[in-house]
Amino acid sequence: DAGVIQSPRHEVTEMGQEVTLRCKPISGHNSLFWYRQTMMRGLELLIYFNNNVPIDDSGMPEDRFSAKMPNASFSTLKIQPSEPRDSAVYFCASSLGSSGRGGAQETQYFGPGTRLLVL
Amino acid sequence: AQKVTQAQTEISVVEKEDVTLDCVYETRDTTYYLFWYKQPPSGELVFLIRRNSFDEQNEISGRYSWNFQKSTSSFNFTITASQVVDSAVYFCALDSNSGYALNFGKGTSLLVTP
Repeated sequence: DAGVIQSPRHEVTEMGQEVTLRCKPISGHNSLFWYRQTMMRGLELLIYFNNNVPIDDSGMPEDRFSAKMPNASFSTLKIQPSEPRDSAVYFCASSLGSSGRGGAQETQYFGPGTRLLVL
Repeated sequence: AQKVTQAQTEISVVEKEDVTLDCVYETRDTTYYLFWYKQPPSGELVFLIRRNSFDEQNEISGRYSWNFQKSTSSFNFTITASQVVDSAVYFCALDSNSGYALNFGKGTSLLVTP
């Protein structure tokens, strides 16, 4: 079975450019999570979707970050404009989350991550 | 507040040694879930185990075993007869009904040398 798929795996861009990260969750999973991993802050949740609806976006750093989930099999995380401090590994995860509980009862399976470097 | 502490930042062992990775958690919830993930040098996060707060039985999977003790709020992970391929960063994580995110510890970097 295919796991969570993320693209691109690596992205190098210049400050000010728009960056779009993509994620395809595991088929049948109805919860999707975007995390960011940095050395300083570790793994942090950015946003959580349940049944394609954003439930908790309190972790999104600022207005430069936006996320969408137009359907059950696709999500994007966009940074516009990008800044050097956005450099990190961005993970997408999915789970068989139950509505209203944010996947707390189910295992989150992670994609391979996108390593972003903003120069 | 929820918190996961992995006090061991780095551990280095020689192949075939046993090694235990410590995890201590804090939560006010009575229902919660504990996880271990492995992050090898290639960078992906690999799920290893999930344990709910009502199941304190220890778990063994091959060379891996987990010791869950609610009395000490610990969920320790032991690798028996370690191998070079076990070299990775291991994360302990906590999830509960009051939140959506996995609360990760800072991770323990394990290096197994031949």
